[in-house]
Amino acid sequence: DGGITQSPKYLFRKEGQNVTLSCEQNLNHDAMYWYRQDPGQGLRLIYYSQIVNDFQKGDIAEGYSVSREKKESFPLTVTSAQKNPTAFYLCASKKDNSYEQYFGPGTRLTVT
Amino acid sequence: AQSVSQHNHHVILSEAASLELGCNYSYGGTVNLFWYVQYPGQHLQLLLKYFSGDPLVKGIKGFEAEFIKSKFSFNLRKPSVQWSDTAEYFCAVKDGNNRKLIWGLGTSLAVNP
Repeated sequence: DGGITQSPKYLFRKEGQNVTLSCEQNLNHDAMYWYRQDPGQGLRLIYYSQIVNDFQKGDIAEGYSVSREKKESFPLTVTSAQKNPTAFYLCASKKDNSYEQYFGPGTRLTVT
Repeated sequence: AQSVSQHNHHVILSEAASLELGCNYSYGGTVNLFWYVQYPGQHLQLLLKYFSGDPLVKGIKGFEAEFIKSKFSFNLRKPSVQWSDTAEYFCAVKDGNNRKLIWGLGTSLAVNP
């Protein structure tokens, strides 16, 4: 059963702590993306990766970091430098010769 | 910078009413256009897409969209909505060689039974 998994579904952290969100795909897709979704603000791109061991900043990369050590995995770390980390985080992937992005179920992060 | 504008932020309709959600983009070159839908509690999924050819594109669940190049628009339509169409709808554009999608802010549709 192919798809994208994000875990956990809900995550709670104290302010000042780093937290890592998981994203795994078994679709054999080359490209992976992290978005942040806030009410009324649509999807904003945080980071994306076209290939293993390479990634680029999106529009709102400050306070976030990523790694792409395996094709299947693209974890996102929300650092303590991110000023407003509470949000819904979506991971997506796509094949290199396609334009359609496939999305995971998302992780809702709450930082207090 | 390229941008995507969705004119309606919140739409409330009764079942069987017709739907049209506006989407305009700012890029003047070749574009690929998408509508995604996010049903309550579900993954964001592709509703329909336009790459080239017939500007009237049909998608899943009776939705269609028309690409009007002269108006930089890609409006989403459905002749008769159902309660199950209640969702958030996003328009997205990919321009030229850009590897990123540019997203609209989304339109929240509520269909009353």
